[in-house]
This record gives sequence, structure tokens and C-alpha cells, in this order.
Amino acid sequence: AQTVTQSQPEMSVQEAETVTLSCTYDTSENNYYLFWYKQPPSRQMILVIRQEAYKQQNATENRFSVNFQKAAKSFSLKISDSQLGDTAMYFCAFGFSQGGSEKLVFGKGTKLTVNP
Amino acid sequence: GAVVSQHPSRVICKSGTSVKIECRSLDFQATTMFWYRQFPKKSLMLMATSNEGSKATYEQGVEKDKFLINHASLTLSTLTVTSAHPEDSSFYICSARAFGRHSSYNEQFFGPGTRLTVL
Repeated sequence: AQTVTQSQPEMSVQEAETVTLSCTYDTSENNYYLFWYKQPPSRQMILVIRQEAYKQQNATENRFSVNFQKAAKSFSLKISDSQLGDTAMYFCAFGFSQGGSEKLVFGKGTKLTVNP
Repeated sequence: GAVVSQHPSRVICKSGTSVKIECRSLDFQATTMFWYRQFPKKSLMLMATSNEGSKATYEQGVEKDKFLINHASLTLSTLTVTSAHPEDSSFYICSARAFGRHSSYNEQFFGPGTRLTVL
């Protein structure tokens, strides 16, 4: 079974500073994807960044980047130049195929607060 | 990006009644949709995978007779909570799978969720 662990229930950061959210996972799958989703107070899930497991290069999307350590099964998210709008719940998710369908397993989330 | 809607956004019902929640992909066709449940301050738990034209696949521990799923078209899936009880109160989120243009992975796009409160 796949598991995703986010060890930081809550974090806070000052505006314009950098913060890193941790995520580890456990799987026996060889082919999978990793995701970070953002859930603001509106509850709408928004994809922040995606990483294919077969790619060694870390994914980057503007101020968001990941540190993917496949051997350690670690997938942390770095948010640079934090903005007030980054305040949200952040979920790490593991994507894999089962029975011909892609499934997502989510971590418990990290509540991030960006302070002015 | 692809847009997924849910209706209603919020529903309050009496115990013992049934509630239907709709999930629509607005600008793409989705052969597969997913239904999640999210408890307060908790993560999303996959309930079932909805496949157009066939029976839904339920995750272990999810009562298929309690949570009826119908995926009658390529843009609509419905979740019916039958004989709802207070313990069914939760936030229900659907997602629709869209074929990735830049990736072999079929990305899931999420609806805004439905808050169900059973009195």
C-alpha cells in the first residue's frame, strides 16, 4: 500500500521569505508521479507542481520548486518569496496506476500561514 | 485549465433522506471521475472511481449501497448519499481525469466541493 506522510501539521513564514514543506512516501511502485496541491480557504484544490518519478531533474514552477530524493522517498516543496496568497493547506500526493486507473493518495496536509 | 463544477455547493438535509451531488466537467470529456471525502482538518480520502458507462469501483470500507455513483455521460457523474445520517456529514470533492497535453499522466482536475450537513 502507498502511504504519504507530511510531518508538519502547521507552519508559518514571513512574507517574502522562503519556506520548505516536507513530504515522504512509501511505495513499491516503480512508475509514479508526485504532486503538491494547494487548498485555500475556498476549499478548491489547485495543482501547484508535479514531478515524474523517472525524471531526476527537480520540477520548478515560478516560485515553487521541489527537492525530489527518490532513494530517500522524499518530496519537499520550497516556496520562495512567499506571498499572502500562499496561505493555504498544502497536500502532498502520490499518483499511481491501479486496475487501469490513475489514483491519488494524499498526505494529511500542512497548514501554511504567510504573515505580513 | 480544465474546469470541473459541483452542485450544490452546500446542502443541509434531515436524517434518513437522500442527497444527490453532481460533478460536471465543463470544457472537456472525462471518462473517469473520482469522488473523495474530506473530514474537517483532514486529508482527502478516495471513495470511488466513476467510469462512464460502467459500474463504479469503490475503495475498501466504502459502502456501495450507501454511496451510489452514476456516470451516465462523459461530462457528468453523480454521487447519491442514501438514507443520510449525521455521520455522513462531510465535505465531498469530485475530480475528473483529463488527458495531459504535456505529460503521459492523466491529470485530475478538482471540483470546488460540496458541504453536506445531515441533521
